[in-house]
Amino acid sequence: EIVMTQSPATLSVSPGERATLSCRASQSVNTNLAWYQQKPGQAPRLVIYGASTRATGIPARFSGSGSGTEFTLTISSLQSEDSAVYYCQQYNTWPRTFGQGTNVEI
Amino acid sequence: EVQLVESGGGLIQPGKSLRLSCAASGFTFSSYVLSWVRQAPGKGLEWVSAIDGGGISAYYADSVRGRFTLSRDNSKDTLYLQMNSLRADDAAIYYCAKVRTGGNWYDAFDIWGRGTMVTVSS
Repeated sequence: EIVMTQSPATLSVSPGERATLSCRASQSVNTNLAWYQQKPGQAPRLVIYGASTRATGIPARFSGSGSGTEFTLTISSLQSEDSAVYYCQQYNTWPRTFGQGTNVEI
Repeated sequence: EVQLVESGGGLIQPGKSLRLSCAASGFTFSSYVLSWVRQAPGKGLEWVSAIDGGGISAYYADSVRGRFTLSRDNSKDTLYLQMNSLRADDAAIYYCAKVRTGGNWYDAFDIWGRGTMVTVSS
């Protein structure tokens, strides 16, 4: 099983600042990596797929990068509505696995 | 509008069985791999199972293999998760999720339902 490790666990930032979230895979997942946003009481929402492609309706301030085992989600100029838990997920091998999440507080 | 709606959750005793359903609309149901993902209270996301569009092949997490069975009825645009021998650690919100592109196992989940809560307690 591929273990996905996210850091930091919690990120406290001010509106307008930049947030950088990291995700590391225990073995290569190529670019089969997604990022999801989850707000309290809601289902997860796809933000990034293919490591770097924004999903439909996702603002341009969200960007993803990386390949292999190291990945980054960057949120430039944070807005209040970006406060959420962000999960990375690999879909390269079975079982699909998620990171433990990064809580972004604004 | 593309939509997934889960149902069938509830309070169930340990060792008993429960069947979850996920009704789909707004897309060609039989073309897409579907999965169940669960989330225990206050915890992260855990992938449970996935099935191909034809209902022929399925994959399971080790934690549920042998106890859970995933199936689909493409004539009813509905996905099912039969859960047997339920344990306390199966308690979670169960989400149904669709992959982004048809016929593709290796893709992200672009549409999620709102989830159905399963509570396992005596």
